Amino acid sequence: LAKTTQPISMDSYEGQEVNITCSHNNIATNDYITWYQQFPSQGPRFIIQGYKTKVTNEVASLFIPADRKSSTLSLPRVSLSDTAVYYCLVGASYNQGGKLIFGQGTELSVKP
Amino acid sequence: GAVVSQHPSWVICKSGTSVKIECRSLDFQATTMFWYRQFPKQSLMLMATSNEGSKATYEQGVEKDKFLINHASLTLSTLTVTSAHPEDSSFYICSAREKRGQSYGYTFGSGTRLTVV
Repeated sequence: LAKTTQPISMDSYEGQEVNITCSHNNIATNDYITWYQQFPSQGPRFIIQGYKTKVTNEVASLFIPADRKSSTLSLPRVSLSDTAVYYCLVGASYNQGGKLIFGQGTELSVKP
Repeated sequence: GAVVSQHPSWVICKSGTSVKIECRSLDFQATTMFWYRQFPKQSLMLMATSNEGSKATYEQGVEKDKFLINHASLTLSTLTVTSAHPEDSSFYICSAREKRGQSYGYTFGSGTRLTVV
């Protein structure tokens, strides 16, 4: 399993764009990159997943450079409700059905 | 979308008693479920993999006799914390895996806050 490194915490203000970068130097060819969001006292919630280049959905974008050794989760115009912990997961579990291993995550605090 | 129901959402029990936590996949069959534990300000730690109709696979350092897992049906897995002690107080989260075409999806329950007094 590829080890991931994320900033422990980030601060932002409402309306700003937030970019959280995750390093995964040992990513394998079959590995996908997946981001989860967790609010206090709740289970994690899937945000976005990608393999290469750029993926966008209704809540976020995921940018993955050609070497795939890092990825950036982009949250456009954050609001107070985006305050949460964001986890970057790297692995082949989504096509192999294996277990998901969580790293430390990034605690995002959005201020008014 | 896929929904996983976890019950109870919180429980307080006396030291030495046992507590059962249920995890149900409501609209899909889950042959495999996962149990995690999360302490305050820490990440999720995988405890075990629960497979329908067979014994659970525990991660290193997790006591199988203390954390009993039963996965008797395709939609239900239970975690029983036996002879609970204050150090078992934590947030327990389950996750159910679903086959989606050529890949898999993972849906998490809302968690159970266990407090042992």
